[in-house]
Amino acid sequence: EAGVAQSPRYKIIEKRQSVAFWCNPISGHATLYWYQQILGQGPKLLIQFQNNGVVDDSQLPKDRFSAERLKGVDSTLKIQPAKLEDSAVYLCASSLVRAAVGVLTFGAGSRLTVL
Amino acid sequence: QKEVEQNSGPLSVPEGAIASLNCTYSDRGSQSFFWYRQYSGKSPELIMSIYSNGDKEDGRFTAQLNKASQYVSLLIRDSQPSDSATYLCAVKAYSGGGADGLTFGKGTHLIIQP
Repeated sequence: EAGVAQSPRYKIIEKRQSVAFWCNPISGHATLYWYQQILGQGPKLLIQFQNNGVVDDSQLPKDRFSAERLKGVDSTLKIQPAKLEDSAVYLCASSLVRAAVGVLTFGAGSRLTVL
Repeated sequence: QKEVEQNSGPLSVPEGAIASLNCTYSDRGSQSFFWYRQYSGKSPELIMSIYSNGDKEDGRFTAQLNKASQYVSLLIRDSQPSDSATYLCAVKAYSGGGADGLTFGKGTHLIIQP
């Protein structure tokens, strides 16, 4: 079974620039999550999709972050404009059913550095 | 605001000893509890889940849950150098509308000394 694919693995941008991250979940996984993990902290949920609908985006900074999941498969997370504090690893996770009581499979992550 | 608290460590344990990791959570409505392991530079992976009070054992790992005290722990028996990692406690609380993303603690950095 192929895992959760994410790209790019690394991205360095200047503040106020924009960036986009892509995620392809495990085939058949209906639920997709984006987490932000700042160095030294645990992952923080940004947004949860069920198929192509948003279930929870209460912690997504909507003034600069946006996310979509077209056709209920791939997802894109965008930051525009980026701030220094957005430097983090952005983790995509998927689950066969809603959190399958916690069984999330994470991708390798996309590490963002904002200068 | 749902919170999950962990001692960030580092926690240093001799090889072969028992490592004990602790976690407290603030939301009494929390239903499910998980331990994820994260090696440096890697993504988290699930190692244990527990849903009811008491102990749950899986190989060298034992998860313990006390909902009255809002306390979760993870014991690692016969610790090995390969167990050196950050251990993340995660909690799932019931939320309306199907929202069920996990709330993670900051993690405890565990070092197993050969």
